[in-house]
Amino acid sequence: DAGVIQSPRHEVTEMGQEVTLRCKPISGHDYLFWYRQTMMRGLELLIYFNNNVPIDDSGMPEDRFSAKMPNASFSTLKIQPSEPRDSAVYFCASSYKIRAAGYTFGSGTRLTVV
Amino acid sequence: QKEVEQNSGPLSVPEGAIASLNCTYSDRGSQSFFWYRQYSGKSPELIMFIYSNGDKEDGRFTAQLNKASQYVSLLIRDSQPSDSATYLCAVNLGGKSSGDKLTFGTGTRLAVRP
Repeated sequence: DAGVIQSPRHEVTEMGQEVTLRCKPISGHDYLFWYRQTMMRGLELLIYFNNNVPIDDSGMPEDRFSAKMPNASFSTLKIQPSEPRDSAVYFCASSYKIRAAGYTFGSGTRLTVV
Repeated sequence: QKEVEQNSGPLSVPEGAIASLNCTYSDRGSQSFFWYRQYSGKSPELIMFIYSNGDKEDGRFTAQLNKASQYVSLLIRDSQPSDSATYLCAVNLGGKSSGDKLTFGTGTRLAVRP
């Protein structure tokens, strides 16, 4: 299995632009998580899905952030409009039976908003 | 009080020594506990998980759980320079609101001196 695949690896954009991050989970995993990591705040959960349905989006910072999972093999996280404070590494992770085995993380997308 | 707390470090140990990494959590109902290793610029990778009080060993790594004290630790025996990384403690907190998500500590940076 190729693992959790995220794209792009790096994204540099100007303030006010729309940014779309993409994730393909491991086949057979029924949970998908979006995290954001910064030096100051560590890993913060933004939203997670179970069987393509959003379960908890309480970590989404504000209405500028949205996430979708149209099918079991694809998810997007969109920021519109982007702001410099959104600069961070965004990780996607997937899992099956979370309590048994934890998550597998993707390689992350490093977002810089200038 | 943070939900999952770790000393940020750095923890510096000489090669061959035992490194002891500690984590406390706030919710007595927490069910499962995970240790992740994150090299600089990389994504977190799962090292170990533990559910029951006591010790769990895997090679040079031992996870220890004490639910009464709300404390989980990771011991690394015969530390190697390649163990130098940030170690993240993650907890599936108790209660309905936590569901299947993991809450991460901010990590402890370990430096193993040759």
